[in-house]
Amino acid sequence: KAGVTQTPRYLIKTRGQQVTLSCSPISGHRSVSWYQQTPGQGLQFLFEYFSETQRNKGNFPGRFSGRQFSNSRSEMNVSTLELGDSALYLCAGGAGDSTDTQYFGPGTRLTVL
Amino acid sequence: EDQVTQSPEALRLQEGESSSLNCSYTVSGLRGLFWYRQDPGKGPEFLFTLYSAGEEKEKERLKATLTKKESFLHITAPKPEDSATYLCAVQAASGGSYIPTFGRGTSLIVHP
Repeated sequence: KAGVTQTPRYLIKTRGQQVTLSCSPISGHRSVSWYQQTPGQGLQFLFEYFSETQRNKGNFPGRFSGRQFSNSRSEMNVSTLELGDSALYLCAGGAGDSTDTQYFGPGTRLTVL
Repeated sequence: EDQVTQSPEALRLQEGESSSLNCSYTVSGLRGLFWYRQDPGKGPEFLFTLYSAGEEKEKERLKATLTKKESFLHITAPKPEDSATYLCAVQAASGGSYIPTFGRGTSLIVHP
């Protein structure tokens, strides 16, 4: 059974640019959550999508957005990049029900110069 | 607000030296408590889910236990390959949100 995949794995951008990250959950999983991980803040929740609808949202500015497609694949977009956006961006898939266990992908390492 | 505190922040052990990691939590009704292992530069790997006080789960050298206020991850006779950051997360039963709150993790290094 294939695991959660994220592309690209590494990305270098400059301030002011925008970036799109992609995540494909395990087959059959309908929920996709996105997290930002930094040494200073740990794992912080960005948003969750379930059946193409945003179901939950964390406390991040509107520059961070996402969407989910009918095949459960999800994309996250960050516009007008800032230096502080440098982080490991993780997505996690799950069944989306009340006993959900989240299965994480390997992450995308974003560096903003 | 849900809170998760993990201790110690870092732990160094000799191979074979058993120890425990702590995860203290405050949540308005616990739906589930999760333990993950994260290797450098990789995503967290799921280890256990605990749902109610008194529950215990084991996997190889790891054993997770749960009380009403905290969870312990016991590591018996650790090996160098157990070196990783161990993350704890709680999922609240109220509010309709299934999003877990993560602790900052315990960085474990096992020396041969």
